[in-house]
Amino acid sequence: EVQLVESGGGLVQPGGSLRLSCAASGFTFSNYWMHWVRQAPGKGLVWVSRTNTDGSSTTYADSVKGRFTISRDNAKNTLYLQMNSLRDEDTAVYYCARDSANCGGDCYLFDPWGQGTLVTVSS
Amino acid sequence: DIQMTQSPSSLSASVGDRVTITCRASQGIRNYLAWYQQKPGKVPKLLMYAASTLQSGVPSRFSGSGSGTDFTLTISSLQPEDVATYYCQKYKSDPTFGPGTKVDIK
Repeated sequence: EVQLVESGGGLVQPGGSLRLSCAASGFTFSNYWMHWVRQAPGKGLVWVSRTNTDGSSTTYADSVKGRFTISRDNAKNTLYLQMNSLRDEDTAVYYCARDSANCGGDCYLFDPWGQGTLVTVSS
Repeated sequence: DIQMTQSPSSLSASVGDRVTITCRASQGIRNYLAWYQQKPGKVPKLLMYAASTLQSGVPSRFSGSGSGTDFTLTISSLQPEDVATYYCQKYKSDPTFGPGTKVDIK
């Protein structure tokens, strides 16, 4: 069974940092692009970042560019999101998601999703 | 940037009703359109991609259509377990979600 399990969320003050992790299992992690998508409380879905299969190519939403860094460790089957200079508006549930197996890679089509980890930025 | 809009923002229908949700892209996106279902308190789930291809395991009462800028998601006979927020998403590049349509049972 394909599983994605996020961890690392919590309460952090504005300007602080946090590192999220996503442990993958049930599939060959190194074969798939991976993504982070967030959802502010009561709001919609927003794509945050993606990495290609070996981590050599990454892209970011404008709202997090220069502050967030996505990375992966294929030996540990784990995806990361380093979040620096956090702002109130970064408060959200952060989901990791795999690029869909139905699209051949490079798709930004999200399936499946992890259960999410809540990041709260507040003083 | 391409913007995605959805209508209505919410709807309430009876069990067994036919329900249609519309998604519009500000520019043509061919058929790179996906639909996700997010049940209350749950994780989003991919329902459909390429505008009309059902993800494995999704009930056949769900269908999709459209190409270019205008797309629809149809539930042919609404069931209680379909209560959810439905999001459309442009994929393949610059992924953008629509604002969502909340579906309730009347």
